[in-house]
Amino acid sequence: AQSVAQPEDQVNVAEGNPLTVKCTYSVSGNPYLFWYVQYPNRGLQFLLKYITGDNLVKGSYGFEAEFNKSQTSFHLKKPSALVSDSALYFCAVRVPSGYSTLTFGKGTMLLVSP
Amino acid sequence: GAGVSQSPSNKVTEKGKDVELRCDPISGHTALYWYRQRLGQGLEFLIYFQGNSAPDKSGLPSDRFSAERTGESVSTLTIQRTQQEDSAVYLCASSPSTGNTIYFGEGSWLTVV
Repeated sequence: AQSVAQPEDQVNVAEGNPLTVKCTYSVSGNPYLFWYVQYPNRGLQFLLKYITGDNLVKGSYGFEAEFNKSQTSFHLKKPSALVSDSALYFCAVRVPSGYSTLTFGKGTMLLVSP
Repeated sequence: GAGVSQSPSNKVTEKGKDVELRCDPISGHTALYWYRQRLGQGLEFLIYFQGNSAPDKSGLPSDRFSAERTGESVSTLTIQRTQQEDSAVYLCASSPSTGNTIYFGEGSWLTVV
């Protein structure tokens, strides 16, 4: 069975500082990894994904994530946080089989203070 | 349409009533998913449709929940005899094929009173 762990319920960072939102996964075989963001009272928006290739993936709004196979991690990062980045962030994993669902972590609330 | 469309966006219903939630996936997407998100919690997988294959219903929490999809088009999630614990956002998503990005709708916010 596949699973995702987001160890932090909340991450606090000051505007302009770098941010990291942690994610580790467990899956049999090679994973497809995703980050989504959810703003208040909205659905989920896709940020970025790792399928194969370069371990550093760049996505929307200046976010990036690094796939680390040995540590089974896919941490989300941004060099300089904005107040508008404050939202709920979900990491997700699936396996590249012919029939698989997306398994989500429980989410991490990111709060960026002015 | 350009994105996944869900209706109604908000629904308040009385305990014991049945509700139907509708999802229009992105045109051409073969896979369709339903998830549930309770207040302050993560996403709970409910059901997955992939083309003409038998759906994966392993996430449905009880026999009061059911979903249908006709071909590769609209899906309906039905909750019978609603209970207060069914109050949640029901999110629909679609993707063009397994392994590619999944795109979510804005959700149907269900409140059972």
